[in-house]
Amino acid sequence: EPEVTQTPSHQVTQMGQEVILRCVPISNHLYFYWYRQILGQKVEFLVSFYNNEISEKSEIFDDQFSVERPDGSNFTLKIRSTKLEDSAMYFCASSSTEGSYNEQFFGPGTRLTVL
Amino acid sequence: LAKTTQPISMDSYEGQEVNITCSHNNIATNDYITWYQQFPSQGPRFIIQGYKTKVTNEVASLFIPADRKSSTLSLPRVSLSDTAVYYCLVARGYNKLIFGAGTRLAVHP
Repeated sequence: EPEVTQTPSHQVTQMGQEVILRCVPISNHLYFYWYRQILGQKVEFLVSFYNNEISEKSEIFDDQFSVERPDGSNFTLKIRSTKLEDSAMYFCASSSTEGSYNEQFFGPGTRLTVL
Repeated sequence: LAKTTQPISMDSYEGQEVNITCSHNNIATNDYITWYQQFPSQGPRFIIQGYKTKVTNEVASLFIPADRKSSTLSLPRVSLSDTAVYYCLVARGYNKLIFGAGTRLAVHP
């Protein structure tokens, strides 16, 4: 069964450093998303991406964040200057027009630790 | 998007049926009711979705009354592996999902 993959599984970085989180969505999917979950808290929407552009972003997704689909398979989230409060699990998700209307397929996540 | 309200936690025993009810009083005409499951340190996983009446798949059933202001997720004969957080969401398709705190289900032997 096709699945969303994410790398790395765990990223440790120093405050102020840039990180890039990588995702490979399911190949025929057209809609891509990033969410994050701070430990013990709820899953929060960051950004959605369709047709090579951002379709919606949350208040969390400020100028420090950017997304890119550099080729036909990867979908990346960049945090330019990490802060302690960026420590969280980051989930990539994708969906298609087939299947259920609100069915998004989530990856296993990247645990980001900012020291 | 309509806000959802569901119990914070529930306990059950193996082999029992579990029903988790969610209220979404301000649901809009275009909204669908969707349930996700999340295990610790994993991404959420889609369980079931419905618009009205009853929907059943191999995992669960979803009951939605005519006014659509609430819904009930039914898990038949739960096992220990069903211990997870269950989220009720109201969403419009291909858009962001707004997760609440969910219901933490603990299944006991």
